[in-house]
Amino acid sequence: DTGVSQNPRHKITKRGQNVTFRCDPISEHNRLYWYRQTLGQGPEFLTYFQNEAQLEKSRLLSDRFSAERPKGSFSTLEIQRTEQGDSAMYLCASSLMGQGNQPQHFGDGTRLSIL
Amino acid sequence: SQKIEQNSEALNIQEGKTATLTCNYTNYSPAYLQWYRQDPGRGPVFLLLIRENEKEKRKERLKVTFDTTLKQSLFHITASQPADSATYLCALTENSGYALNFGKGTSLLVTP
Repeated sequence: DTGVSQNPRHKITKRGQNVTFRCDPISEHNRLYWYRQTLGQGPEFLTYFQNEAQLEKSRLLSDRFSAERPKGSFSTLEIQRTEQGDSAMYLCASSLMGQGNQPQHFGDGTRLSIL
Repeated sequence: SQKIEQNSEALNIQEGKTATLTCNYTNYSPAYLQWYRQDPGRGPVFLLLIRENEKEKRKERLKVTFDTTLKQSLFHITASQPADSATYLCALTENSGYALNFGKGTSLLVTP
């Protein structure tokens, strides 16, 4: 079990730049989720995919954010025109598609710092 | 508004004692409640899941209770060890979706 892999682990960029993060889920997991976590807070849901379909998006996901999962395997999260408030840990999780809720398996996140 | 509240103060206990963490929620109708552990700089790690029609769930030294009348879950770690020191997160899912709604977490420190 290779677990959920996220790259890069850290990203430092200037305000106004675009950034893209990648998530490789556990291979047999159909569902993939993105969350954002700031210091001292719990993760906040951003969006989730079932296979390649994006089925739910949070109101937190402004139009500067876009996520894709083109072949139902890895996913990317892009933030355009980054702002100071985007500084956070971006977490990806995956789960099986089963009856009812399934445990989510998280990666160790990408920490984004906006200068 | 919807809220998930966990003990805001850090919990310090002595090795060997039982740690009890609380999760209270408001304006949710959770179908499932999950507990995760998070270490600094790492992603959350799943511990236990309990359904709305279950009162209690156990796994090794861990026990979770779920009271939908009180709108509360309790998470117990018995015979605690220094290695149990971490932040513990409570998360709810409502019937309509799969997104986890997390509390802020409670920091647990177990001292020898």
